[in-house]
Amino acid sequence: AQKITQTQPGMFVQEKEAVTLDCTYDTSDPSYGLFWYKQPSSGEMIFLIYQGSYDQQNATEGRYSLNFQKARKSANLVISASQLGDSAMYFCAMRVVPPWAETSGSRLTFGEGTQLTVNP
Amino acid sequence: DAGITQSPRYKITETGRQVTLMCHQTWSHSYMFWYRQDLGHGLRLIYYSAAADITDKGEVPDGYVVSRSKTENFPLTLESATRSQTSVYFCASSDYGTLNTEAFFGQGTRLTVV
Repeated sequence: AQKITQTQPGMFVQEKEAVTLDCTYDTSDPSYGLFWYKQPSSGEMIFLIYQGSYDQQNATEGRYSLNFQKARKSANLVISASQLGDSAMYFCAMRVVPPWAETSGSRLTFGEGTQLTVNP
Repeated sequence: DAGITQSPRYKITETGRQVTLMCHQTWSHSYMFWYRQDLGHGLRLIYYSAAADITDKGEVPDGYVVSRSKTENFPLTLESATRSQTSVYFCASSDYGTLNTEAFFGQGTRLTVV
């Protein structure tokens, strides 16, 4: 079974500073995809960044980067130059396509989330 | 409007009643998912579907029923609602089942069972 663990229920950061949100995962499948989503207080889920298990380089999208350490099974999200609008819940997620799911397809599993607060 | 929409946005129901949450997407995405979001648990997968007439259980399927007779619709039914099913429910869809395909989410349905 796949599992995503986010050990930081809440994080605080000062505006303009960088912050790292932790994510560890567990799967026996060699092929998997890792995602980060943002959920503002309004409730919608916003896709931020993706990292594939075979990607050689860490993914980056603007101020977001993913610190992917495959041997440690971690996929931490780094937000540089935090802004007040970054205050939100952040979810790490993993997608696998196990062989037995060839007809039913892949599932997307989420962690418990980290509530980030950016202070002015 | 293009996208994925859930209805209703808010619902209050009584214990024991049957309630159906609707999900409709206009992209013709193959994959659709239902999640529930509870404090301390993140998003937990209830059911998912790879195509019309193909569904599979997620982590927490007990007490829920799904169907997918048309690609664009994926209703979730609580057969006999219980207070423990009070939650925010999210529907999502994705074009493919490949690893790098992001999922797009609806606005969520806040369900309260009294």
